[in-house]
Amino acid sequence: GAGVSQSPSNKVTEKGKDVELRCDPISGHTALYWYRQSLGQGLEFLIYFQGNSAPDKSGLPSDRFSAERTGGSVSTLTIQRTQQEDSAVYLCASSFGWVNYGYTFGSGTRLTVV
Amino acid sequence: AQSVTQPDIHITVSEGASLELRCNYSYGATPYLFWYVQSPGQGLQLLLKYFSGDTLVQGIKGFEAEFKRSQSSFNLRKPSVHWSDAAEYFCAVGAQGGGADGLTFGKGTHLIIQP
Repeated sequence: GAGVSQSPSNKVTEKGKDVELRCDPISGHTALYWYRQSLGQGLEFLIYFQGNSAPDKSGLPSDRFSAERTGGSVSTLTIQRTQQEDSAVYLCASSFGWVNYGYTFGSGTRLTVV
Repeated sequence: AQSVTQPDIHITVSEGASLELRCNYSYGATPYLFWYVQSPGQGLQLLLKYFSGDTLVQGIKGFEAEFKRSQSSFNLRKPSVHWSDAAEYFCAVGAQGGGADGLTFGKGTHLIIQP
């Protein structure tokens, strides 16, 4: 597509429920990144995919978080047993190749856990 | 580990006045440096980037930034701001070796434009 698409744009969920966030990167972009943006905390790097593989998952905040990418394209970030501290904007970005040429970001998913 | 400091949380500037947003980084080697802008409810848009070469880089929307290795700084400037420049600005640093560590972002500077 023309840009990075994220869905849903807003999600309100009850504490303890699972949520799935989706990212559709720019066609042909091999690298995909997930960030979390919390109020007053800036952007926190979560995970990076090159193709379908994620070399390092240590940035995920807890074992309730998981991410996958299939077909070198769409990625999903899953949060199990959501907690209130998971409330944030989750941003996805993609780029072409390994080097940090600068990402293209999606508009994010605003997650609110009540 | 790399880090980015944006010392100013908020900056207020009159429309038409000049602007400088500060960014200091910590990185062991020559970094890749970026400035992004985020409007409310939007994702981040890349303004400009520095990899090597000329230390003064030009970006979109009339912005420029200067890399000063001796000061570990990469300040963003604009000669004359417009009301539409009101947004959150993020400085970021990345590793030359690849994208596995992602970019490290500062906490942002909120720019307010006074009429």
